Amino acid sequence: AQSVAQPEDQVNVAEGNPLTVKCTYSVSGNPYLFWYVQYPNRGLQFLLKYITGDNLVKGSYGFEAEFNKSQTSFHLKKPSALVSDSALYFCAVRGNSGYALNFGKGTSLLVTP
Amino acid sequence: DTGVSQDPRHKITKRGQNVTFRCDPISEHNRLYWYRQTLGQGPEFLTYFQNEAQLEKSRLLSDRFSAERPKGSFSTLEIQRTEQGDSAMYLCASSLVSDTQYFGPGTRLTVL
Repeated sequence: AQSVAQPEDQVNVAEGNPLTVKCTYSVSGNPYLFWYVQYPNRGLQFLLKYITGDNLVKGSYGFEAEFNKSQTSFHLKKPSALVSDSALYFCAVRGNSGYALNFGKGTSLLVTP
Repeated sequence: DTGVSQDPRHKITKRGQNVTFRCDPISEHNRLYWYRQTLGQGPEFLTYFQNEAQLEKSRLLSDRFSAERPKGSFSTLEIQRTEQGDSAMYLCASSLVSDTQYFGPGTRLTVL
């Protein structure tokens, strides 16, 4: 079985400060890890993924994520938050022989001016 | 626009009615997925197609739900005898084999 945990329902950060949205996972075999963002009444937009290789992956809109195998974590980060980053962020995992994504329950990010 | 499209964007229906949603994937993508998202939760997998073959169905997909992808292009998801518990956002995604899944805007279903 595979699963994702996003321990924070909401993260608040001031504009210009660094942000981190946490994600831990459980999967058999090598994980395929993804971050998506969802704006109100919209579908999910792909931000970045880790399949293999460098543990630090860079994605869209200045976001990056660090894969940590020993801690089974894949935290999303951005050096300097923007008000427009305020949205719902989902971490997802898929096994290397699978197809369905298993999503966390999401973390609401609020960036204040 | 070359992204995934879904129609309708919103559907309000009365309990017991049948509803059908359509998804048009990115044109070269051979895999198509359906997910359901309820308020405050992440999307949950329902089913997926590789070309026209439906290869997996979740336990969430009761016998009132049926999905098709007749020519390996667009897909439809039908819910028969809708129940209030079916109220959710229905998301479609597509991908090239095992690559990144790209999502459409979703169809929000409200069952009264």
